[in-house]
Amino acid sequence: GAVVSQHPSRVICKSGTSVKIECRSLDFQATTMFWYRQFPKQSLMLMATSNEGSKATYEQGVEKDKFLINHASLTLSTLTVTSAHPEDSSFYICSAPGTEQGTSEAFFGQGTRLTVV
Amino acid sequence: GQQLNQSPQSMFIQEGEDVSMNCTSSSIFNTWLWYKQEPGEGPVLLIALYKAGELTSNGRLTAQFGITRKDSFLNISASIPSDVGIYFCAGQRDEYGNNRLAFGKGNQVVVIP
Repeated sequence: GAVVSQHPSRVICKSGTSVKIECRSLDFQATTMFWYRQFPKQSLMLMATSNEGSKATYEQGVEKDKFLINHASLTLSTLTVTSAHPEDSSFYICSAPGTEQGTSEAFFGQGTRLTVV
Repeated sequence: GQQLNQSPQSMFIQEGEDVSMNCTSSSIFNTWLWYKQEPGEGPVLLIALYKAGELTSNGRLTAQFGITRKDSFLNISASIPSDVGIYFCAGQRDEYGNNRLAFGKGNQVVVIP
């Protein structure tokens, strides 16, 4: 199946700093990618839809200025957690549809464990 | 966002037993997906279902897309220790033309050797 690579897998940062997480589709192009947040023992919560060449679409309650998304190319989307605080500590996961039309199954990255100290 | 009702939420089973889990929704979906997630990893796609009534197998896994398009089940036969993990159902492309995935809360499976 399609491969989505996410980097880094783990990051620890100081409160007030910013952290960038990358999501790459390795063997296919993705005009759309999705960013999720997952708390322990809970399901995935969609944060935003990343659109290549245009602005991301954020879910209700997700701060745009806090979680900056840039979909710079057809194979790369980045999520930047700005001015991170301990409550931003979580598991962040990206996904991309297997086809450009976005109607196929979604493939997930390995996830990024963010710890803000 | 939408949530699917996934049951049971956790299961402790003996190695060699079969496992069955269910997912229901109040909305219609055109695609049902089943994922497995292990600790510290992203979800891995197990089975994708595209047609109502479709029954699909992947090794010891079998999943079906309900006729009403509002439910799906996943069976694991002859469970082994490496089946341990959290299994999520997901629906895609609902009746409102929404392509985003809606997830169930997950089913934690523990296999006892």
